[in-house]
Amino acid sequence: EAAVTQSPRNKVAVTGGKVTLSCNQTNNHNNMYWYRQDTGHGLRLIHYSYGAGSTEKGDIPDGYKASRPSQENFSLILELATPSQTSVYFCASGDAWGARDERLFFGHGTKLSVL
Amino acid sequence: GDSVTQKQGQVTLSEDDFLFINCTYSTTTYPTLLWYVQYLGQGPQLLLKVTTANNKGISRGFEATYDKGTTSFHLQKASVQESDSAVYFCALVENSNNRIFFGDGTQLVVKP
Repeated sequence: EAAVTQSPRNKVAVTGGKVTLSCNQTNNHNNMYWYRQDTGHGLRLIHYSYGAGSTEKGDIPDGYKASRPSQENFSLILELATPSQTSVYFCASGDAWGARDERLFFGHGTKLSVL
Repeated sequence: GDSVTQKQGQVTLSEDDFLFINCTYSTTTYPTLLWYVQYLGQGPQLLLKVTTANNKGISRGFEATYDKGTTSFHLQKASVQESDSAVYFCALVENSNNRIFFGDGTQLVVKP
């Protein structure tokens, strides 16, 4: 079964601090994604990547950066964290939307609290 | 733009009740329609895919039927169990540009 691992599982940060959320996948998928989940908003796409070295803006990229240094790893970076970024963040990987397999495989999530 | 709409924020049922979760979509292209389920403390996982070949997807007792006329693919289950308690998301894959759009999710609570 496909595996996506996120770290840390929980994070408390201070306003203005830098936060890095890490994601590792062992599925050899080309595509990786970062979502945030908030009550009443479902899953919203922040950044995604088509492969090592590529990052693309999703629907809500402001205040976030992403890095894809390798096929396996995809990081989400909050350079100056704000309380509005308090949320649960999910990383996902997938082979190809609209192709043979539309499944996204999600990690367990990272709960981030910015105080 | 493409979107999916789930109006029910929470549904509370008793075991063996019938489940119906509403989902409608909007797109100008030919979509792939999915339902995801998220159990407490976990990430979402694919529950079923609705194929336009037979207009229906079935998995683990859940069923969703694609209705092009009403642009809907509601999720149903004849008899829910307490273990079905979770958040259910409908999703649309817009095939022309490989974007996926999630609904806001419906929290299902099943009481024993």
